[in-house]
This record gives sequence, structure tokens and C-alpha cells, in this order.
Amino acid sequence: EDQVTQSPEALRLQEGESSSLNCSYTVSGLRGLFWYRQDPGKGPEFLFTLYSAGEEKEKERLKATLTKKESFLHITAPKPEDSATYLCAVQARGAGRRALTFGSGTRLQVQP
Amino acid sequence: EADIYQTPRYLVIGTGKKITLECSQTMGHDKMYWYQQDPGMELHLIHYSYGVNSTEKGDLSSESTVSRIRTEHFPLTLESARPSHTSQYLCASSGTGTGTYEQYFGPGTRLTVT
Repeated sequence: EDQVTQSPEALRLQEGESSSLNCSYTVSGLRGLFWYRQDPGKGPEFLFTLYSAGEEKEKERLKATLTKKESFLHITAPKPEDSATYLCAVQARGAGRRALTFGSGTRLQVQP
Repeated sequence: EADIYQTPRYLVIGTGKKITLECSQTMGHDKMYWYQQDPGMELHLIHYSYGVNSTEKGDLSSESTVSRIRTEHFPLTLESARPSHTSQYLCASSGTGTGTYEQYFGPGTRLTVT
């Protein structure tokens, strides 16, 4: 069974204080790992897809990396508007396995 | 920006009522999904569809049903709502082909059954 574990559950940072969020996963053949941002009361907003170990992707203050067992979302010099819940999800290989398995997320609060 | 819409955004309804949650996308995506999410918890897949007239149940058991008569439309129906159905329901879609495609989500419907 595919599993995704995110840590920490919650993280409070000062504006400009860089940090990393962790996503550990077990999956029977990784097709893709996804990062999403979710604001309260809204649907998840797509950020990145990573396909293979060693891959990195960047968007503004966010950088996602992938190894064979985990992914990190690095936040550099965060701003208050980066406050949200960040979700990690995996998609497994195999016919019919098109759905995503989500972690419970990391709630990030960035204080000015 | 993904074009996927859900209505209503909020619904408060009494026990035993029949409800339909609407989901539409304008991207021509062949795959569509319904997830259920309780506050602070993971998203759980309850239904998915690979295309018109194709629907399957997800990992989380649900008393709801879905239909896919048109590519762009994927409504979810509860024949008799119960308080245990209180949750947020999220609709998503992903692109055509057999590769890995990110899923785009709608804004969600917050359902409260009293």
C-alpha cells in the first residue's frame, strides 16, 4: 500500500527564515511525486511534479528535490504570503493507478 | 490557472435529503476525480473516471454515486444525506494520454448535514 508521511505537522517561521519541509514515501514504483499548496477553505494548488531521484524544480522562493525515499520542499526567505498548508502526493506505476496518495500536509505560518 | 468549477461552495442540508454536487472543467481533460477531506486530514479518493461512461470507486468507501455522461461534467450524488457525510468534497481533473499528469483541483464544496 502506498504511503506518504509529511513532517513537521506544523512549522512557524519568521519572515526571511529559510527552512525545509519533508515528505517520506513508500510506493510500488514511483510514477511521479507532486507538491501542492492549499489555503484554508480552498482546493489544492499545483506547484511541482518530480519524476526521478536527483530531480529538482524551482518556483520563486520554493525548491523541490527528490530522492528514492523522500522529497524536500525548501523555502528560501519566506514571506507571510507563503503561509499555507503544503501537501505532498505520489502516483504509482501500473495500469489503473492514476489516483494520487496524499500526505496530511505541513501547516506553514510565516510571521512578519 | 486551471479551469475547474464546483457548485455549490457551501451547503447545509438536513438528514435524509438528496443532494448533487456539481463539478465541471473546461480543459478537455479525460480523467476526473472526487476526493473527500476532513479538516487537517489527508485527501482520500472516493471516485474517479477515465472518460465518458467510465467510473470507478476509490480507496475510501463512500455511499455517494457519480456519473460521467459528458467529458466536462462529473457530478456526485448522495441519495440520502447523513451527518457522517459532513466533509469537504474536492473535484479534480488531469490531462489526456497515459503519461504522468498533475491533477488540478476545484475550490471544493463544504457540506454540512444536520
